[in-house]
Amino acid sequence: EAGVTQFPSHSVIEKGQTVTLRCDPISGHDNLYWYRRVMGKEIKFLLHFVKESKQDESGMPNNRFLAERTGGTYSTLKVQPAELEDSGVYFCASSRRGRGETQYFGPGTRLLVL
Amino acid sequence: QQQVKQSPQSLIVQKGGIPIINCAYENTAFDYFPWYQQFPGKGPALLIAIRPDVSEKKEGRFTISFNKSAKQFSLHIMDSQPGDSATYFCAAKSFGNEKLTFGTGTRLTIIP
Repeated sequence: EAGVTQFPSHSVIEKGQTVTLRCDPISGHDNLYWYRRVMGKEIKFLLHFVKESKQDESGMPNNRFLAERTGGTYSTLKVQPAELEDSGVYFCASSRRGRGETQYFGPGTRLLVL
Repeated sequence: QQQVKQSPQSLIVQKGGIPIINCAYENTAFDYFPWYQQFPGKGPALLIAIRPDVSEKKEGRFTISFNKSAKQFSLHIMDSQPGDSATYFCAAKSFGNEKLTFGTGTRLTIIP
């Protein structure tokens, strides 16, 4: 079984540009999560999809961040326009339907905004 | 305001020693406490987890100790090996809410 995959693995952009991160969850996993770790700090929750619906987006920093999950499969996280403080590692995780299921994390996308 | 506080930030232990990583939480609604292990270039992976109805859980060389009244839990690694060198994150989750709240991580190095 393939794990959670994320693309790209690294991205370096300039302030004001747009970046789109992609996450492919484990096949059959209805739950998909986005998290972010700013250097040296905790991994912070951004949002949670159940299939294509946003279940909880309480962690999204502001309206420069837009997450989508078309058809309940892969998900994208767009940052537009990017700011310096958006730099960090963006993790995607997925889990089976149901409460308390293990969340499986992808390797992350390392974003650097200059 | 950090809901899960983790210490130490980094830890160096000799092979065979018992590293201990501590976490404390504020939210009494938390009812699931996992530990994640992360190797460089990889995502965090679930290592072991505990619910507050037990005070200890062991899986192989890894043990979680849980103190509900003190709102603290800790990870112990018995007979530590260089291959255990990684970053460890404690986390917590409340019933009915699937988001994980993480600590800041502990960078563990086991020296031969």
